[in-house]
Amino acid sequence: QVQLQQWGAGLLKPSETLSLTCAVYGGSVSGYYWSWIRQTPGKGLEWIGEINHYRTINYNPSLRSRVTMSIDTSKNHFSLKLSSVTAADTAVYYCARGGNIVLALAAPFDPWGQGTLVTVSS
Amino acid sequence: DIVMTQSPDSLAVSLGERATINCKSSQSVFYSSNNKNYLAWYQQKPGQPPRLFINWASTRESGVPDRFSGSGSGTDFTLTISSLQAEDVAVYYCQQYYNTPLTFGGGTKVEIK
Repeated sequence: QVQLQQWGAGLLKPSETLSLTCAVYGGSVSGYYWSWIRQTPGKGLEWIGEINHYRTINYNPSLRSRVTMSIDTSKNHFSLKLSSVTAADTAVYYCARGGNIVLALAAPFDPWGQGTLVTVSS
Repeated sequence: DIVMTQSPDSLAVSLGERATINCKSSQSVFYSSNNKNYLAWYQQKPGQPPRLFINWASTRESGVPDRFSGSGSGTDFTLTISSLQAEDVAVYYCQQYYNTPLTFGGGTKVEIK
């Protein structure tokens, strides 16, 4: 059973860069798309983007200019960086598994990481 | 972007009664080549990540009670809880995975009346 464990800094100042990592246990990062999603009381659930082990990346256009995703197959984890954060980026950030590359089949998010609350405040 | 609109925002239902949640997409999420609707439902309880409940609009995930059912096609979908139990109190979200950017509905909070 695949499990995701995520970590990263929870308190940032405006203009800093958010950095989170999600490790995959019980399976390989190869063969799937891996997403980052954030949740705020105001905007609900917002997909940030996805990456696979070929380093094919799809970003949400709303965040594309500030987002960088990477993947490390040797460590079986993937990462998110969001630059120039503001208070509007305060949210719970989740990692999650998405579509199956081998089957060329899109899929909903399952499983999810436990979530990381990131607060941006001066 | 495909906009997902859920209704109602919240509903209160008596124990044992039916709860119905609606989800409408701004464009069809049905892929005719494989006859599938790229629509999922999630349940989220406080302090937890969303849990996948239903995929392909109507296929329950393993472990999901059969009182939960999903229906609909194209742009209009429904999640039904046939007999509400106390443990079903949660927020429910629909999500389309037809194309990127992947998008979610705003959520429906289900409570006990």
